[in-house]
Amino acid sequence: KAGVTQTPRYLIKTRGQQVTLSCSPISGHRSVSWYQQTPGQGLQFLFEYFSETQRNKGNFPGRFSGRQFSNSRSEMNVSTLELGDSALYLCASSWGTGTSGALTDTQYFGPGTRLTVL
Amino acid sequence: AQSVAQPEDQVNVAEGNPLTVKCTYSVSGNPYLFWYVQYPNRGLQFLLKYITGDNLVKGSYGFEAEFNKSQTSFHLKKPSALVSDSALYFCASGGGYSTLTFGKGTMLLVSP
Repeated sequence: KAGVTQTPRYLIKTRGQQVTLSCSPISGHRSVSWYQQTPGQGLQFLFEYFSETQRNKGNFPGRFSGRQFSNSRSEMNVSTLELGDSALYLCASSWGTGTSGALTDTQYFGPGTRLTVL
Repeated sequence: AQSVAQPEDQVNVAEGNPLTVKCTYSVSGNPYLFWYVQYPNRGLQFLLKYITGDNLVKGSYGFEAEFNKSQTSFHLKKPSALVSDSALYFCASGGGYSTLTFGKGTMLLVSP
């Protein structure tokens, strides 16, 4: 079974631009979560989508947004890029329907998109 | 609120020796705990998780973890370390709707 794929793998943008990252989950998985990884802040949760609905959101500004399509593929968008947005953006997929509100779901991660903002 | 702490930034161990990577948690309600590993320029790979039941959880690549409720710990262990185990290890707790709260990570270095 194919794993989680993310495109592109690397991106270089300048401040003020916007960027769209894409994530294709494992076949059958309906939940997609996004995380930002930086050396200073570590791994931080951005948001989660299930059946095209955002169910959960982390503490990030409104410049960070996402969406999910009917085939469970997801995109995240960052507008008005800042230098501090440079990070590895990780996408993870899971069934999304586990017990206790999916707290117990195992999430499977993609390789990430490395975003550099100049 | 929930949090996970990994008290060691780095753990050094010789190949063939047992290894332990420490994790403590603070969660309200039942803890759902995970271990992931990250190799350079790669995403996170799932190793194992604790949901309920046996306190000793066995996972991938010979790793296991011991859940200790009284000490609120979930340490990752392996009886015999390999050089190829050198990587960044993350402990995490499961939150609502497929959310993971991660520790800072512990770099494991296994010397030949």
